[in-house]
Amino acid sequence: GNSVTQMEGPVTLSEEAFLTINCTYTATGYPSLFWYVQYPGEGLQLLLKATKADDKGSNKGFEATYRKETTSFHLEKGSVQVSDSAVYFCALSRGSTLGRLYFGRGTQLTVWP
Amino acid sequence: EAGVAQSPRYKIIEKRQSVAFWCNPISGHATLYWYQQILGQGPKLLIQFQNNGVVDDSQLPKDRFSAERLKGVDSTLKIQPAKLEDSAVYLCASQGLSSGRDSYNEQFFGPGTRLTVL
Repeated sequence: GNSVTQMEGPVTLSEEAFLTINCTYTATGYPSLFWYVQYPGEGLQLLLKATKADDKGSNKGFEATYRKETTSFHLEKGSVQVSDSAVYFCALSRGSTLGRLYFGRGTQLTVWP
Repeated sequence: EAGVAQSPRYKIIEKRQSVAFWCNPISGHATLYWYQQILGQGPKLLIQFQNNGVVDDSQLPKDRFSAERLKGVDSTLKIQPAKLEDSAVYLCASQGLSSGRDSYNEQFFGPGTRLTVL
């Protein structure tokens, strides 16, 4: 089947610290991979995506590389800010264009000044 | 561009009552999804529409949940009768058609409806 496993939170960091949130997946075929973010009081927003192996998605200083050999898509940021405090969801889609998303449980990130 | 609209934002009902949620997708988006997000979990698909046809409703508890998308635009999701375990946030998302073989059309999410069943 299709599933996503991401590291449990909460994650608490000081401003300017390095962030890694681990995500691994199980999927048939060649899925597309995503990170979504949910800021307090807001809806889910796409943060970044990668649609094939070795692609690197990036946005707002966040990066994630699609690693087929390790079935992983870890989220990283070199220097977090207080404004990055949110819940982060790793997700996959079986297709490269349309299709339902399979989400992980989410990881709560809190950044202190 | 207006985003995905949902209403109501919050709803509190007692078990065995009925409730309905409404979603207005982004104009021109053919695909519409309803997801259920239970506290502490990621969203899970309930139903997917392509225009006004159902593409995937395999995870929809059809004995109590129903959904429709008349005219391929707005959609409603209904629960009748509600159970305690239906307490969750119900998310609507819409997606446009692909513009190319290697492109991905983003799913845009609404703010959700938070349902509490007492």
